Amino acid sequence: NAGVMQNPRHLVRRRGQEARLRCSPMKGHSHVYWYRQLPEEGLKFMVYLQKENIIDESGMPKERFSAEFPKEGPSILRIQQVVRGDSAAYFCASSPGTGEPQYFGAGTRLSVL
Amino acid sequence: RKEVEQDPGPFNVPEGATVAFNCTYSNSASQSFFWYRQDCRKEPKLLMSVYSSGNEDGRFTAQLNRASQYISLLIRDSKLSDSATYLCVPEPLRGAGSYQLTFGKGTKLSVIP
Repeated sequence: NAGVMQNPRHLVRRRGQEARLRCSPMKGHSHVYWYRQLPEEGLKFMVYLQKENIIDESGMPKERFSAEFPKEGPSILRIQQVVRGDSAAYFCASSPGTGEPQYFGAGTRLSVL
Repeated sequence: RKEVEQDPGPFNVPEGATVAFNCTYSNSASQSFFWYRQDCRKEPKLLMSVYSSGNEDGRFTAQLNRASQYISLLIRDSKLSDSATYLCVPEPLRGAGSYQLTFGKGTKLSVIP
C-alpha cells in the first residue's frame, strides 16, 4: 500500500512565477490536508479537501493560494506570483475519514529565489 | 494560550537510557491525542494514538492523564534511531467542525552513542 505521494520533492521558482504542488493520497483515503512548515516552526494547517470539495480553507492565505482535489487525479496546491516568504516545506496528509489519524507525504520543499 | 505545550529540549540521553516527555493541553474537552515524530527535514510520522487507557507499542508507552491534562511518552532502551522531534497532537474534536491537526514545535530528542 503506497503511502502519500508528493511531487516534486524540491521546487525552485523565481519571484513572480507559479508553483504547483501535487499530492496523491494513500489508497482508500478520500480526505486530503495541506500543511506548511517554515524553518524552525511547527506545521501549520492550510486547507482540507475531499473529492471535488474544499471543506476548510481557514489556514490558506486569501490571495495567491488555491487548492483543488478533482474527481480524477491528485490534489493540487497552487501558489501564484510566488514571493520569498513562500519558501517552506509543504506537506500533504491523507486520512480515511474525519477524525482519523493523518498520514503525511514526504513534502515538497519550495525555494523562491 | 497554546493548545498544547511541550518542553522543546533538547533532551540529550545516552543509548539504552529511558526518557520521558510530557505534553500539557489546555482544552479539557480533548479526548485523545497522537504522538508523531519528525526527523530533521522529513515528514511527521505517526508513532501512536493515545486514548484514556493509554497505549504501548514495544519500547514506547503513552499515557493520558485527564485530571492534570497532560500526556506522556516514555521511551525505554533508547536507540540512536530514536533521535527526532516528538510532537504531541490533539485529535480534532468530533462535531466541532475542525479537522486540522495542531502542531507545536515539539520536543527534540538526541540519543548519544
